[in-house]
Amino acid sequence: ETGVTQSPTHLIKTRGQQVTLRCSSQSGHNTVSWYQQALGQGPQFIFQYYREEENGRGNFPPRFSGLQFPNYSSELNVNALELDDSALYLCASSVGINTGELFFGEGSRLTVL
Amino acid sequence: GENVEQHPSTLSVQEGDSAVIKCTYSDSASNYFPWYKQELGKGPQLIIDIRSNVGEKKDQRIAVTLNKTAKHFSLHITETQPEDSAVYFCAASIKGNTPLVFGKGTRLSVIA
Repeated sequence: ETGVTQSPTHLIKTRGQQVTLRCSSQSGHNTVSWYQQALGQGPQFIFQYYREEENGRGNFPPRFSGLQFPNYSSELNVNALELDDSALYLCASSVGINTGELFFGEGSRLTVL
Repeated sequence: GENVEQHPSTLSVQEGDSAVIKCTYSDSASNYFPWYKQELGKGPQLIIDIRSNVGEKKDQRIAVTLNKTAKHFSLHITETQPEDSAVYFCAASIKGNTPLVFGKGTRLSVIA
């Protein structure tokens, strides 16, 4: 157990809808990173939040957005869902920016129909 | 940006045999190379990592080697056990500067 919790664990949406995924970081961790893992692929970096500010973003469109709260928990929001957004969304917490050692949650499995 | 290639995509070994997974990276500035294990229905978990100032690191049955000149690194698991069956990911980054870039993963099956 990493102490990182994500919700919901599974959800189904239709194209064009919006989704919010939530993550509680491990105690003492101030940085949250979000990754998208398509079936049979490695995790792909979406963005990272440090002290409530976005710090680094991968190759994802602006309809992927996020927030980090004062308690270091975080949300990932995806607008105008597309079929290709179907994936496992992983949240990882760490101490500091890009320190390498990430503690992952079990993910939120999103299916877009 | 960084690109990480991982081979093989699937690997089956008999219990007790060794398993080797290989990765190459493209950015010579990368200096941090972790390996993650992902079991079914779970998030990836760090099992071992190596920094670019070290050529080899060992932790019980697991070892990682790094060849900076060739830009490749490998995971070695000895005396494999059924509980080693999982998907293994290599990754690379510039520590403190860039996020982790992951390979596509290797599905290891240990046959009892």
